Amino acid sequence: AQTVTQSQPEMSVQEAETVTLSCTYDTSESNYYLFWYKQPPSRQMILVIRQEAYKQQNATENRFSVNFQKAAKSFSLKISDSQLGDTAMYFCAFMKHKDRDDKIIFGKGTRLHILP
Amino acid sequence: EAGVTQFPSHSVIEKGQTVTLRCDPISGHDNLYWYRRVMGKEIKFLLHFVKESKQDESGMPNNRFLAERTGGTYSTLKVQPAELEDSGVYFCASSQVGRRPSYNEQFFGPGTRLTVL
Repeated sequence: AQTVTQSQPEMSVQEAETVTLSCTYDTSESNYYLFWYKQPPSRQMILVIRQEAYKQQNATENRFSVNFQKAAKSFSLKISDSQLGDTAMYFCAFMKHKDRDDKIIFGKGTRLHILP
Repeated sequence: EAGVTQFPSHSVIEKGQTVTLRCDPISGHDNLYWYRRVMGKEIKFLLHFVKESKQDESGMPNNRFLAERTGGTYSTLKVQPAELEDSGVYFCASSQVGRRPSYNEQFFGPGTRLTVL
């Protein structure tokens, strides 16, 4: 069975700083997707960034980037130049790369506070 | 284009009562998923519809939960009778049907917060 672990329940950083959220996972699958989702206080969860396990290059979306270490089963999220709007709950998540198995497996989340 | 919508946003009921949650997916999305987050724990998968058929219901906790998707459009999740441990936030998500290895993003609704007293 797949598991996703986020070891930081809560973090706070000053605006404009860089912050890294940690995530480790466990799977016997060789190919899969990894995600970071953001859920702001208004509650709609949105996809921040996606990584396909067969791609060695780390995914980047503007100020958001990941450090994907497949052998170590680690998938951290770096937020550069953090903004007040980045305040949210962040979920690391996993999905198999298989037909008919679309369920997403989530970590417990990290609550991130960006301080003015 | 409207996103995934869920109704109600909050529901407070007493133990033993029945509650029905509704999810309207994005138009044209044949995949519909239900997830649940119990306080302090992970968001967990409940089940997956493809159109009106249940593709995977391995996450449904017990037979007090009944999910339906008549006509392949909106879905309902009924809890009857509700227990204290059913409290949590119920999320719905939808995605297009596509062939792997392409990835079809799941779009999430705002959730329904259920409190069972």
